[in-house]
Amino acid sequence: DIQMTQSPSSLSASVGDRVTITCRASQGISNSLAWYQQKPGKAPKLLLYAASRLESGVPSRFSGSGSGTDYTLTISSLQPEDFATYYCQQYYSTPTFGQGTRLEIK
Amino acid sequence: EVQLVQSGAEVKKPGESLKISCKGSGYSFTSYWIGWVRQMPGKGLEWMGIIYPGDSDTRYSPSFQGQVTISADKSISTAYLQWSSLKASDTAMYYCVRPADLTGYYIYWGQGTLVTVSS
Repeated sequence: DIQMTQSPSSLSASVGDRVTITCRASQGISNSLAWYQQKPGKAPKLLLYAASRLESGVPSRFSGSGSGTDYTLTISSLQPEDFATYYCQQYYSTPTFGQGTRLEIK
Repeated sequence: EVQLVQSGAEVKKPGESLKISCKGSGYSFTSYWIGWVRQMPGKGLEWMGIIYPGDSDTRYSPSFQGQVTISADKSISTAYLQWSSLKASDTAMYYCVRPADLTGYYIYWGQGTLVTVSS
């Protein structure tokens, strides 16, 4: 299996901050990477796929980049509704998720 | 509108069997893979496996192979996740998922089924 390592595992930030979450794959995944947002008690929601493509309806403050083994999710200006847990997922081979990054209010 | 509607919460004892369901609607059920994702209490997401209802082609994560059975009944547009002998460590929320197309990222998620295994 391809292992996905997210960092940091938790992050405190304020409304308006710019935050970046990183996901590293144990081998190259050719941009076959998705990002999800999960709020407590809810199913995850797809934010981006193919590393940088924004899912329909997702605010443009979310963006993704990367290549090879290293990928990032950036939120340009945090809004109150963005405080949640974020997961990356590779689908280059048998899907695997990162362990999650919990984004908390500072 | 695509919807995945899962069966309700279950409370079981260790050693019991269980089958939970996920009914798809709003699309051609036989034309898209449906998968299952586990989330243990307070933990992250784990991909379990996937089935193509059109021909019942089924793939499992190595971590779940032999531990669960994924099946589908295309006549009623429903996918299933089944255990023959539950363990306390099977306590988790289980989500069914469907990709947008033939790729492996999941745009559609069921509401989740909470399975609690306790003596």
